[in-house]
Amino acid sequence: KAGVTQTPRYLIKTRGQQVTLSCSPISGHRSVSWYQQTPGQGLQFLFEYFSETQRNKGNFPGRFSGRQFSNSRSEMNVSTLELGDSALYLCASSLEGISGYEKLFFGSGTQLSVL
Amino acid sequence: AQSVAQPEDQVNVAEGNPLTVKCTYSVSGNPYLFWYVQYPNRGLQFLLKYITGDNLVKGSYGFEAEFNKSQTSFHLKKPSALVSDSALYFCAAPRYNFNKFYFGSGTKLNVKP
Repeated sequence: KAGVTQTPRYLIKTRGQQVTLSCSPISGHRSVSWYQQTPGQGLQFLFEYFSETQRNKGNFPGRFSGRQFSNSRSEMNVSTLELGDSALYLCASSLEGISGYEKLFFGSGTQLSVL
Repeated sequence: AQSVAQPEDQVNVAEGNPLTVKCTYSVSGNPYLFWYVQYPNRGLQFLLKYITGDNLVKGSYGFEAEFNKSQTSFHLKKPSALVSDSALYFCAAPRYNFNKFYFGSGTKLNVKP
């Protein structure tokens, strides 16, 4: 069974640009969540999707958005990039994501550098 | 509110010695607690979880964790460390529901030969 796939692996953008990151969950997993990882702030929750609906959102500005498609694949978008958006963006999937019982399966992440 | 704390940024241990990576929690109700490991340039991998039941939880790669309610701790342990165990370790607890996890700040484990 293929794991969680994130593309691209690396991205370099300049301030003010926008970027789209993609995540394909494990087959059969319907919950997809996104996390931002930085050395200073650690891992921070961005949002979670299930059946194309955003069920939960972290404390990030509206420049950060996401969506989920009918095949459970998900994308996140960051508009008007700032230097502070430089981070490793991790996608995680699980079967249902309801109870908090389920372990998360993470992709290798997209390393975004904003210059 | 759910939160977890990892008091040590780094833990150094010699290969073959036992290792402990510490985690304390502040969770309302029955805590669900997880440990994940991150190797360089990789995403996080699940090691083990505590939901309910036995206080000693066994996980992947020979790791185990001890849940201690009186000390609100969930320390990760391994009897004999390997150089390949060197990685970043995260303690985590789900916040509310829907896979909104709160992660500790991470502990870098260095195992020296």
